[in-house]
Amino acid sequence: DAGVTQSPTHLIKTRGQQVTLRCSPKSGHDTVSWYQQALGQGPQFIFQYYEEEERQRGNFPDRFSGHQFPNYSSELNVNALLLGDSALYLCASSLVITDTQYFGPGTRLTVL
Amino acid sequence: DAKTTQPPSMDCAEGRAANLPCNHSTISGNEYVYWYRQIHSQGPQYIIHGLKNNETNEMASLIITEDRKSSTLILPHATLRDTAVYYCIVRALLSSQGGSEKLVFGKGTKLTVNP
Repeated sequence: DAGVTQSPTHLIKTRGQQVTLRCSPKSGHDTVSWYQQALGQGPQFIFQYYEEEERQRGNFPDRFSGHQFPNYSSELNVNALLLGDSALYLCASSLVITDTQYFGPGTRLTVL
Repeated sequence: DAKTTQPPSMDCAEGRAANLPCNHSTISGNEYVYWYRQIHSQGPQYIIHGLKNNETNEMASLIITEDRKSSTLILPHATLRDTAVYYCIVRALLSSQGGSEKLVFGKGTKLTVNP
């Protein structure tokens, strides 16, 4: 049973560019949450998708957007990248009924 | 903001039990206590969760006080691979907005298991 997978593993972008990160949830899971983890900090909640809709959103600007597909996979898009967007981006999936969130390995984004 | 307080760091000898405390004095009746750990640069790993009864699984035991204001995660026989940051999180299960309630991470406890 595959766990949560994320791609790519690492990514280097320059300021002003746009980036798309991808997440495939654990088999059977229908909810995907995205978190940003800056160096030395705990993960911070960005948003959550359930039934292809954004259900909750953390304190992140509109430059951060997402999507959930019918197969429950999800994308995180960040526009107009800033140096401060450099972080580990984590995806977590859950089955809404049982609700425990399981994390993927993350995507390390570096903005130069 | 995180609703929990944890010591910033702890040490434990390999083979001994590691007892990680967590204070959550403002926990609500419908909130669970969750524990995750994060090994350097990896995604957080779910360990265990509970509401009010003590819980045990293959990884750890969770002891919640009767008043639910604090809890302890116990790793019965710590190994070097248990060196990680351990996060204690309290959260309700479902969000009123639909979907599951988000996880709010604090700074966690950096556990170092020494040989």
